[in-house]
Amino acid sequence: DAGITQSPRYKITETGRQVTLMCHQTWSHSYMFWYRQDLGHGLRLIYYSAAADITDKGEVPDGYVVSRSKTENFPLTLESATRSQTSVYFCASSGDWTENYGYTFGSGTRLTVV
Amino acid sequence: SQQGEEDPQALSIQEGENATMNCSYKTSINNLQWYRQNSGRGLVHLILIRSNEREKHSGRLRVTLDTSKKSSSLLITASRAADTASYFCATDKRHGSRLTFGEGTQLTVNP
Repeated sequence: DAGITQSPRYKITETGRQVTLMCHQTWSHSYMFWYRQDLGHGLRLIYYSAAADITDKGEVPDGYVVSRSKTENFPLTLESATRSQTSVYFCASSGDWTENYGYTFGSGTRLTVV
Repeated sequence: SQQGEEDPQALSIQEGENATMNCSYKTSINNLQWYRQNSGRGLVHLILIRSNEREKHSGRLRVTLDTSKKSSSLLITASRAADTASYFCATDKRHGSRLTFGEGTQLTVNP
């Protein structure tokens, strides 16, 4: 996972609180993605970005906000956390020149909403 | 909805045996990728096969793609205990677009 880091690694928050998950990559990859992984659902795309200031909704965007003011950072914010957002969140990136090497994933953030 | 569906959901084999996992998808694709996930870790890219390719090898991995049947298979030869992990197939319509995952196959290799 060298080159793409997620923080925090673990987070417990209360229902209704705002929480931000951070993702940072050092390769200047154009494309960045946020997924959530839940038992029985595999990985589902929340938001993705093709470049700085360009973002688009994925499969399950409700309740989440993203921004990408710099190429290397792609934070994911839960505006008002709900228990259904308890999950493991993965950030991924890919570059224009790395198509043959797939997408690179971070180590994940395990979020628990109580 | 999930684009890819893996089969079987779980597979248990002995060390040294071959493991075969299958993936089916629903719509046209640019490429199909396989990833491995060890427990509690992120996903690691294993191999990518383009829509105009039929077979690809990488070390002990062999991937086939049949676009007419919208299916792919991943073969791991001479499996090792360290191959124990979840394996996911994923597809995209073009590079940099959404990568859609199946729900994975849990492979257990018994020593």
